[in-house]
Amino acid sequence: SQQGEEDPQALSIQEGENATMNCSYKTSINNLQWYRQNSGRGLVHLILIRSNEREKHSGRLRVTLDTSKKSSSLLITASRAADTASYFCATGLNSGYSTLTFGKGTMLLVSP
Amino acid sequence: GAGVSQSPRYKVAKRGQDVALRCDPISGHVSLFWYQQALGQGPEFLTYFQNEAQLDKSGLPSDRFFAERPEGSVSTLKIQRTQQEDSAVYLCASSITQSGDYGYTFGSGTRLTVV
Repeated sequence: SQQGEEDPQALSIQEGENATMNCSYKTSINNLQWYRQNSGRGLVHLILIRSNEREKHSGRLRVTLDTSKKSSSLLITASRAADTASYFCATGLNSGYSTLTFGKGTMLLVSP
Repeated sequence: GAGVSQSPRYKVAKRGQDVALRCDPISGHVSLFWYQQALGQGPEFLTYFQNEAQLDKSGLPSDRFFAERPEGSVSTLKIQRTQQEDSAVYLCASSITQSGDYGYTFGSGTRLTVV
C-alpha cells in the first residue's frame, strides 16, 4: 500500500495568510488526493492530481505534484477561519482499486 | 441519496457486546471502503468492496471484524465481542469508479466508544 506523510503536523496562521502543506509518499502512484476533515466529521475530497499533471487549481487551492521527488504540496491562499481543519493527502495506485493510505495529517488553525 | 450516509452517528457499547455499523453509499457507486480512525490519527484501511464482492479485507484487525455488502449497495461492518481498543471513528467511503480516480466520498462516520 502507499503512504502519504504530511508536513508540518500543525500550522497556525492568521486570516488572509497563505497556508502550505506538504506530502511525501513512497512508491509510484496513479493519482494523489487531498482531503479536509473538520473536527468530528468525515473527510471531504478537495482535489485530485494525476501522476501526469504537475499543478492543479481549484478556487483558493493550488496543488503541485513532483513525481521525481515523490512529493506534493497543497497551498491555500487567502485563508479564512473556516479553513481550520485537518488536511490529509492520500495516494491512489497505478492499477485496479485504490486503498487510499493516509498520513496523520496537518492540523491547520486559522485565527481571525 | 446525495451523500454517503452512516448510522448510527454515535454508539456506546459495553465490552464484549456485538455492534453493527451501517453504510449507505451513493447510489450507483461501485467501490465501497471502510476505514478506522483512532483519535489524532489518519484513517486506516479496513476493507474494500467492488459491488457485492469483498476484494480486500487485509486491513481488518482481527476475526472479530466482519463486513458485508450483499446486494452491492448498503454495507454493514460488524464487530463481535468489542474491546476497548476498538474505540474509534469508523468511516465509510464510496466511489463511482473502481480506480477511484474521481475521488472518494466519505460519510460522517460512526464514533464507537467501548466502555
